[in-house]
Parts: sequence; structure tokens; C-alpha cells
Amino acid sequence: AIQMTQSPSSLSASVGDRVTITCRASQGIRNDLGWYQQKPGKAPKLLIYAASSLQSGVPSRFSGSGSGTDFTLTISSLQPEDFATYYCLQDYNYPRTFGQGTKLEIK
Amino acid sequence: QVQLVQSGAEVKKPGSSVKVSCKASGGTFSSYAISWVRQAPGQGLEWMGGIIPIFGTANYAQKFQGRVTITADESTSTAYMELSSLRSEDTAVYYCAREGRYCSSTSCRAAFDYWGQGTLVTVSS
Repeated sequence: AIQMTQSPSSLSASVGDRVTITCRASQGIRNDLGWYQQKPGKAPKLLIYAASSLQSGVPSRFSGSGSGTDFTLTISSLQPEDFATYYCLQDYNYPRTFGQGTKLEIK
Repeated sequence: QVQLVQSGAEVKKPGSSVKVSCKASGGTFSSYAISWVRQAPGQGLEWMGGIIPIFGTANYAQKFQGRVTITADESTSTAYMELSSLRSEDTAVYYCAREGRYCSSTSCRAAFDYWGQGTLVTVSS
């Protein structure tokens, strides 16, 4: 199974900050990667698919990049509603595998 | 608008089985994969397995092989996840998710674009 290593596991930031979360795959996965946001008690929400494509309705301050094994999610200017946990997920092959998650907290 | 509605919370004894349902509406059910993802309390997301209803064949994570069975009923647009030999560590929220297809002129990519509301399964003696 492909392992997804996500970092950092937690991150403290302030409103207005630019933050970056990274995900590394144990083997090349083309651009078959999505980013998901999860708030407490809620189902995850798709933000980015195919590594860099913004899901409809998601604010443009979210962006994704990368291909092969290294990927990043960037939030250009943090808003209060962005404090949540973020996960990457590879959909290159089965079994699908998630990163461990990054908890984004208010500084 | 696609909606996935899951069955309600369950409390089970160790050693028993649980079957969670996920009913889809508002879209074409048969041709999209449905995955099951679980989240233990305070933990991350864990993919358990998935099925494409039109094909009927499921893929499972190695960790759950032999204990989980994922099925789909095209006539009712409902997917099911059954987990057997339950233990306390299986206490978690179980989600179903649709794997949508996003196509450009050159390729198609997948993403979990719609999720159920989650079903809490508690395993306790």
C-alpha cells in the first residue's frame, strides 16, 4: 500500500497568515491526490482534487500543487473558519490511503 | 444534488457484527465508487474499502480483509458495510463517500466529493 506522510501534524497560526501543509507519497502517484478539510463532528469536505484543481465552491485562498511524490496545500490568508484538520488522500490506486492529518489551530 | 444518508448509531457487543447502510439520492448511483472510511475517537481518517455498484466487486484495505464486507444494491441505490468480530477498537464513526470523476480533455481523476453524515458504532460489553 502507498504510504502518505503528512506534515506537520499540528500547526498554530493567526488569521491572515499564509500556511502550507505537505504530503509525501511513498511512490509516485502522478497527480492523483486530494485535500480534505474536517471540522469537529462533521464529515470531511473536498477542497482540492487532482492535486491542484479547486473544488467548486471552495474559496480561492486554498490552492494545491505537486506531482509524483510531493504535494502541498496552501492557504494564502487564513480566515477564522479555516481552523480545522486537513487530510491528504491518494486515489492513484487501491487501497486508498490518507495522510495522518494536520490540525490547524489558532495562535 | 447528491446526498448520502447513512443509518443510525449502533451499540454492539464484542464479537458481534454491525451493518451500516448508505442510501444515495440525486445522482447516478451505479457507476460511481462508494468508499467506507472510519474515524476512531480523536484519530485520523482510515479507508476501509470501496465498491463500484455496477461491477459489484469490492476492494478492501489489508487491515480489514476477512472482517469487512461491502455490498451495493442498485435497485435501492444503497451501499452497505458489514464489519464482523467487533472489538472495542472498532468504536468509531463510519462514513460512506462517493468517488466522483473529474475529467479534462486528456484525463479523468477521482475525488471523494460527497460524504454521508457518519454513523457512530460503539462496541462495548
